[in-house]
Amino acid sequence: SAVISQKPSRDICQRGTSLTIQCQVDSQVTMMFWYRQQPGQSLTLIATANQGSEATYESGFVIDKFPISRPNLTFSTLTVSNMSPEDSSIYLCSVMDWDAETQYFGPGTRLLVL
Amino acid sequence: AQRVTQPEKLLSVFKGAPVELKCNYSYSGSPELFWYVQYSRQRLQLLLRHISRESIKGFTADLNKGETSFHLKKPFAQEEDSAMYYCALNGCRGNNRLAFGKGNQVVVIP
Repeated sequence: SAVISQKPSRDICQRGTSLTIQCQVDSQVTMMFWYRQQPGQSLTLIATANQGSEATYESGFVIDKFPISRPNLTFSTLTVSNMSPEDSSIYLCSVMDWDAETQYFGPGTRLLVL
Repeated sequence: AQRVTQPEKLLSVFKGAPVELKCNYSYSGSPELFWYVQYSRQRLQLLLRHISRESIKGFTADLNKGETSFHLKKPFAQEEDSAMYYCALNGCRGNNRLAFGKGNQVVVIP
């Protein structure tokens, strides 16, 4: 199984600022995803990070608010832009293991916006 | 649209008692169903998937297409089963976009 790390593990940010979250995988993976888990809610898919092309966003999420980069097959970033308290959430990176057809999740980044 | 419903938010059971976590889904095609588990201070991890039809840590889940359900069961709960359990659905093969339920918090009382 893939080993996934995320940085930072947690942060407290001021309203109006931006935070970039990094996701690093120990092996090359075809698919990488970014999820959000707001307090008391389930995981919601934000977007699929595509290597070499623009990310594919789910309904309700836009590139201006959540720009995503994926420069290679082992790394991706998610930026939460112009933050408001409603962006307080856990942000999770996941990757797809094609051999097992299983998604593996990173440890998550806990964000609090004041 | 894909939707997953887990009706009970918190489930408390005594050690040795049976556990059943309900999961119902809404999807017009043939979905792929999963159960994910998150133990305290650990990351979310796959528990089992309906395609594999295997028992993991004593847990089983059967896909019932007639009732659109994928309930998770274990005959004898252990203390280490205390965790958050999420049911998830992948409706479109190939894009692997999972839709999650809201999760069940399971507390096993010694």
